Amino acid sequence: EPEVTQTPSHQVTQMGQEVILRCVPISNHLYFYWYRQILGQKVEFLVSFYNNEISEKSEIFDDQFSVERPDGSNFTLKIRSTKLEDSAMYFCASSSLFRTGAGTSAWNEQFFGPGTRLTVL
Amino acid sequence: QQPVQSPQAVILREGEDAVINCSSSKALYSVHWYRQKHGEAPVFLMILLKGGEQKGHDKISASFNEKKQQSSLYLTASQLSYSGTYFCGTDIAGGTSYGKLTFGQGTILTVHP
Repeated sequence: EPEVTQTPSHQVTQMGQEVILRCVPISNHLYFYWYRQILGQKVEFLVSFYNNEISEKSEIFDDQFSVERPDGSNFTLKIRSTKLEDSAMYFCASSSLFRTGAGTSAWNEQFFGPGTRLTVL
Repeated sequence: QQPVQSPQAVILREGEDAVINCSSSKALYSVHWYRQKHGEAPVFLMILLKGGEQKGHDKISASFNEKKQQSSLYLTASQLSYSGTYFCGTDIAGGTSYGKLTFGQGTILTVHP
């Protein structure tokens, strides 16, 4: 079964350092997402990406964050200067559209990767 | 804007039933339900669309009341494997939203033997 993969599984970094989190979405999906989850809390939307550009971003996704699809398979999240509060689990997800019985388009399930645990010291 | 889930936690014995609710202050296009086990990624359970269409797990049922902007997930004859945190994710814009989901705070379900 196709799956989303993420690397690394755990990243430890010093405050102020740059990190890049990597994801390989499911190959025939066109819509990609980053979410984060602070320990014990809910999953929070960061950004959605389609057709090589950001389609929507949340308030959390400030100028320190950027996303890129550098080639046909990878999807990356960069945090330029990490802060202590960036410590969280970061999930990549991908999705597609499907045709409903009514003939409209609707969002399919989002397939989540296993996550990267980011620890900022 | 975040949907509100209730209850916050449920403890069951194997074989018992549970209902988890998800309520939004905004009109919804669809509701997605996910289960997350500790230390793992969320796993898809169900999608419920405006208009009544559903897609997902054949052993779990759910409802979506569009007028009340509420959805409920029904877990019947619970098994130990049902334990985890259940999240509803709401889509308020349909095809214009690029699939952004806003998740509730989660409901922790624990099933004991």
